[in-house]
Amino acid sequence: EAEVAQSPRYKITEKSQAVAFWCDPISGHATLYWYRQILGQGPELLVQFQDESVVDDSQLPKDRFSAERLKGVDSTLKIQPAELGDSAMYLCASSTDGLESGNTIYFGEGSWLTVV
Amino acid sequence: AQSVTQPDIHITVSEGASLELRCNYSYGATPYLFWYVQSPGQGLQLLLKYFSGDTLVQGIKGFEAEFKRSQSSFNLRKPSVHWSDAAEYFCAVDTSGTYKYIFGTGTRLKVLA
Repeated sequence: EAEVAQSPRYKITEKSQAVAFWCDPISGHATLYWYRQILGQGPELLVQFQDESVVDDSQLPKDRFSAERLKGVDSTLKIQPAELGDSAMYLCASSTDGLESGNTIYFGEGSWLTVV
Repeated sequence: AQSVTQPDIHITVSEGASLELRCNYSYGATPYLFWYVQSPGQGLQLLLKYFSGDTLVQGIKGFEAEFKRSQSSFNLRKPSVHWSDAAEYFCAVDTSGTYKYIFGTGTRLKVLA
């Protein structure tokens, strides 16, 4: 079964350093999402792409976070500078608009970030 | 504003016992409804989903969920829990059909041997 690939799985970084996460969605999925999940909470959407275009980044802290999906396939989420409060799991997900999709979003394994 | 409530933060059951995890949502119409499971340190795996039709839906791993419009609920059930079911369970709704998921805060399930 096709999966959403993410790397790295775990990252420890010092406060004020830069960190980046990579995501490769399920092949053929036009929509890609980045979610943030703080320990003990449900995931919250940071940014949503349709192909290479951002369709929703209303919850993305744009002073330090950036996301891109240059060729409409894989995507990178960057944090610079990292702050202690950024410690969380960053989940990438993808979906397709096909009738068989049933509005379903498929998630990757996530990237754990610890800022020290 | 739309919201999803999972009133039980933690649930402990004995292996072989039945399970019901509660989920309530606030939204005027019937949203798309989902249950996901998350094992420690892992991503979210879809258990089942509901859009329309039969209000009792079957999912993977022996789980089922029932949509009750009158109660705005979508509770997850399993007749006999296995130790491997220990995980965190998230209910999610998509109120607009645009993949804008709203997640509940999750219910952590512990299974006693």
